[in-house]
Amino acid sequence: QKEVEQNSGPLSVPEGAIASLNCTYSDRGSQSFFWYRQYSGKSPELIMFIYSNGDKEDGRFTAQLNKASQYVSLLIRDSQPSDSATYLCAVGKNTGNQFYFGTGTSLTVIP
Amino acid sequence: DTGVSQNPRHKITKRGQNVTFRCDPISEHNRLYWYRQTLGQGPEFLTYFQNEAQLEKSRLLSDRFSAERPKGSFSTLEIQRTEQGDSAMYLCASSQTGSHSPLHFGNGTRLTVT
Repeated sequence: QKEVEQNSGPLSVPEGAIASLNCTYSDRGSQSFFWYRQYSGKSPELIMFIYSNGDKEDGRFTAQLNKASQYVSLLIRDSQPSDSATYLCAVGKNTGNQFYFGTGTSLTVIP
Repeated sequence: DTGVSQNPRHKITKRGQNVTFRCDPISEHNRLYWYRQTLGQGPEFLTYFQNEAQLEKSRLLSDRFSAERPKGSFSTLEIQRTEQGDSAMYLCASSQTGSHSPLHFGNGTRLTVT
């Protein structure tokens, strides 16, 4: 079983819609959760992080964490074509200092 | 804060040659990570330093790979006797101390082994 799993997509949404990206993780003791955006040929860029159950909002982005279900999601409201990228979910474990990444979900926002 | 800097940006080498990459982390970050990423995959952990100490190393990392961080500042990643399967983007990231500190990535070094 992979440490972090994401649907690879591609996910397509029209401009202005809400994009919903999902991620599950296997280690119930994981403590920190991150979303990164990666444009083609570029390095990952941190968008959001969340540590506690519930929702965390930052501008058009909302991260949601449900530790009981081992599930973390990212909502992008009012999606823009510039949001078209691959979104990586990363999980920090409670032992050691490794961060495990999913394979990423490719998002395309259609003008 | 100039961010994480990696050099070179691109490296093309012939199979069997040795290559070395450099990473300069964000100055106040004492943790430094190396990851490898291939097309369509997420970053794969290679190794991690806290200050100058190499604290973790992936069991997937062959003995052809070695990393150093001699003074707890910049780090180098060397690959000896490169193979075509080593072709990938090599990402360096740094973070502050703390279990919740996020990783900040450099622009990466893209290695092509011919």
